[in-house]
Amino acid sequence: SQELEQSPQSLIVQEGKNLTINCTSSKTLYGLYWYKQKYGEGLIFLMMLQKGGEEKSHEKITAKLDEKKQQSSLHITASQPSHAGIYLCGAGAVSGAGSYQLTFGKGTKLSVIP
Amino acid sequence: DTEVTQTPKHLVMGMTNKKSLKCEQHMGHRAMYWYKQKAKKPPELMFVYSYEKLSINESVPSRFSPECPNSSLLNLHLHALQPEDSALYLCASRWRDRDQGSPLHFGNGTRLTVT
Repeated sequence: SQELEQSPQSLIVQEGKNLTINCTSSKTLYGLYWYKQKYGEGLIFLMMLQKGGEEKSHEKITAKLDEKKQQSSLHITASQPSHAGIYLCGAGAVSGAGSYQLTFGKGTKLSVIP
Repeated sequence: DTEVTQTPKHLVMGMTNKKSLKCEQHMGHRAMYWYKQKAKKPPELMFVYSYEKLSINESVPSRFSPECPNSSLLNLHLHALQPEDSALYLCASRWRDRDQGSPLHFGNGTRLTVT
């Protein structure tokens, strides 16, 4: 089965600083999803990457999928307290039954100090 | 605001109780999912419904019984739960189960405590 390793596990940054979160897969990624979760709440979809070398941005968040499609990074520029939360990467895979399922990394907890 | 609505937000139940969790979406999605998330862990898939039919059951104990009465609704019936079943239960939906290009949309979850 596919395993996703996220690093770092937790991160504390000063407001205004840049940061990067990494997600490494044990297998080739055919769809990589980034989500954000606030404690006790649902997951908010951020971005999806499918092609090697693909890069997407939304506001101050940029996600990349490397050429070999086994690693993705999430970069936040000029962090704000609203960026605080748990960031999860998810990988898609087709099961034996033909269902397309997401498995998730363990998450990176981001704290932003004002 | 999420377009997937889950009720109730919180639920406390005894081990002999019967309760149900509800999930609703009106985005026209035909794939719906139940995930379970323990504290400080990632969500784990429990069930997948595709076109109102159960397609995946990830070896979930029978005390959890899913139901999909129509394309917009998904229920999870709970009976004789154990304290270790306490967790955040997340409902999600996506356009089509086999569509690799569409993301999952999650509800805000039901925080379940079994006493």
